[in-house]
Amino acid sequence: DAGVTQSPTHLIKTRGQQVTLRCSPKSGHDTVSWYQQALGQGPQFIFQYYEEEERQRGNFPDRFSGHQFPNYSSELNVNALLLGDSALYLCASSLAPGLGEKLFFGSGTQLSVL
Amino acid sequence: GESVGLHLPTLSVQEGDNSIINCAYSNSASDYFIWYKQESGKGPQFIIDIRSNMDKRQGQRVTVLLNKTVKHLSLQIAATQPGDSAVYFCAEPGGSQGNLIFGKGTKLSVKP
Repeated sequence: DAGVTQSPTHLIKTRGQQVTLRCSPKSGHDTVSWYQQALGQGPQFIFQYYEEEERQRGNFPDRFSGHQFPNYSSELNVNALLLGDSALYLCASSLAPGLGEKLFFGSGTQLSVL
Repeated sequence: GESVGLHLPTLSVQEGDNSIINCAYSNSASDYFIWYKQESGKGPQFIIDIRSNMDKRQGQRVTVLLNKTVKHLSLQIAATQPGDSAVYFCAEPGGSQGNLIFGKGTKLSVKP
């Protein structure tokens, strides 16, 4: 049973560019959340997708957008990249919105903005 | 600001000793707390959780204690092993399912 898978694992972009990160939830899960983890910090909630709609959003600008597909996979898009967007981007999935042991994280995509 | 924080950024223990990782929270209405373990190159992994109607909860080699009076919780790891080396985060719901607020984390290093 595959867990949460994210691609790519590493990515290097330059300021002003746009990036798309991808996430496949754990088998049987239908809800995907995205987090940003800066170096030495705890993850910060970006947004959550359920039933192909953004249900909750953290304190992130509109440059951060997402999408959920009918197969429950999800994409995170970041436009007009800034140096400060360099971070580990984590995807977490659950069966319906859930927390604790119901929430599973992927290994993340390490984004470096130069 | 963050409502969940940690007292110490790093903790070094000898293999076989017990480890205690602390966490303070500021919202007295918080009713659910979760501990995560994050190994290098991986995402956070659920360890144990506790609800505010409990003071203590035990898992396999781990115990979480909750002191609502001083808004403090701790994670105790018994007989710490090299595989326990990781960053440990406490987290609480941010007001909706799937929205977690994480503290900055404590890095646990286990010396053989």
